[in-house]
Amino acid sequence: KQEVTQIPAALSVPEGENLVLNCSFTDSAIYNLQWFRQDPGKGLTSLLLIQSSQREQTSGRLNASLDKSSGRSTLYIAASQPGDSATYLCAVEGSTFGDGTTLTVKP
Amino acid sequence: EPEVTQTPSHQVTQMGQEVILRCVPISNHLYFYWYRQILGQKVEFLVSFYNNEISEKSEIFDDQFSVERPDGSNFTLKIRSTKLEDSAMYFCASSDYRNTGELFFGEGSRLTVL
Repeated sequence: KQEVTQIPAALSVPEGENLVLNCSFTDSAIYNLQWFRQDPGKGLTSLLLIQSSQREQTSGRLNASLDKSSGRSTLYIAASQPGDSATYLCAVEGSTFGDGTTLTVKP
Repeated sequence: EPEVTQTPSHQVTQMGQEVILRCVPISNHLYFYWYRQILGQKVEFLVSFYNNEISEKSEIFDDQFSVERPDGSNFTLKIRSTKLEDSAMYFCASSDYRNTGELFFGEGSRLTVL
């Protein structure tokens, strides 16, 4: 059974800092991994989808990587802003979600 | 920009009652999903739906739950005989492909069972 873990559970950084969020999964035979953002009481907003054949995807200040062999994905956020404060979730094949990392960016 | 819409945003019901949560997926998407998120817990997959039938379901999706696509636009989740532990946020999502498609979520329907 696939298990997804996200570390750290919470992260607080000053504005402008670059940061990395981690997602690990136990079964490397995956089709895709997707990163989402969730604001309190809201739905999930898709950030990046990485297919199994890809190693990374980029959108603006966000870069997500995927290493299937090691069962890891990272989400890199460059030049963080207070508006980036939210919970970031990773999901494997849309079926198994991590607990999320709650990010706070302080002005 | 196309989006997934869900109604109601919040529903309060008495234990034992039936509820129907409604979703309008993105119009050209073919795969539809329901998830739930109990307060403070992980998002959990319930069911996926394609070509007017369930394609996959989790252990959570037992006989208490059912899904339907009653017309060309709506996708519904019915919860029969609600229990206190059914209180959660229920999310609908859609994608254009099952294994390679990007998932797009609605804002959710908060269900409170009293």
